[in-house]
Amino acid sequence: GQQLNQSPQSMFIQEGEDVSMNCTSSSIFNTWLWYKQDPGEGPVLLIALYKAGELTSNGRLTAQFGITRKDSFLNISASIPSDVGIYFCAGSNTGNAGKSTFGDGTTLTVKP
Amino acid sequence: ETGVTQSPTHLIKTRGQQVTLRCSSQSGHNTVSWYQQALGQGPQFIFQYYREEENGRGNFPPRFSGLQFPNYSSELNVNALELDDSALYLCASSLGQGNEQFFGPGTRLTVL
Repeated sequence: GQQLNQSPQSMFIQEGEDVSMNCTSSSIFNTWLWYKQDPGEGPVLLIALYKAGELTSNGRLTAQFGITRKDSFLNISASIPSDVGIYFCAGSNTGNAGKSTFGDGTTLTVKP
Repeated sequence: ETGVTQSPTHLIKTRGQQVTLRCSSQSGHNTVSWYQQALGQGPQFIFQYYREEENGRGNFPPRFSGLQFPNYSSELNVNALELDDSALYLCASSLGQGNEQFFGPGTRLTVL
């Protein structure tokens, strides 16, 4: 089946630093999604990407849909303590976000 | 507007038992997806229900079954529980299949 590889697995950064994480797949996806999960909660959608090459921002977050359709990255600028959490990428080929394949996440720790 | 709710929050069962988990979708949402999230991993798609019919299934055995009711709430049933079924079970609802899904906080199932 399809698998998504996220890297890095974990990151420890200082408040104010920029963060970059990525996601690669052995097969193509038509939609890439980035979620954040806080402890005790379900994932929350941050950014959705629908077109190869697309670059989309949501506040301090920027994500890009790779032109090969096999990868995506997420950048966080000027990190703050509330950015702490687990970030997941997810891919879909059905136009149905509810049937997405998820990566195993990048755990972000921000030191004040 | 009430978000996605799940019950119970935590559950402990023994191997071989059966369990039923419940999900109330966000108001007006007619599509519910269920995911299994093992510790340290991303969510894995179990199946999706759209207007009371199963609408796609991931790589899970038949002992994982579900229902969706006329009010669009949903149940996940797991028979003959195995130790590896221990995980966080998430449901997510959306308005239609191509729209953003909203996750509940999950049910933590422990199988002893």
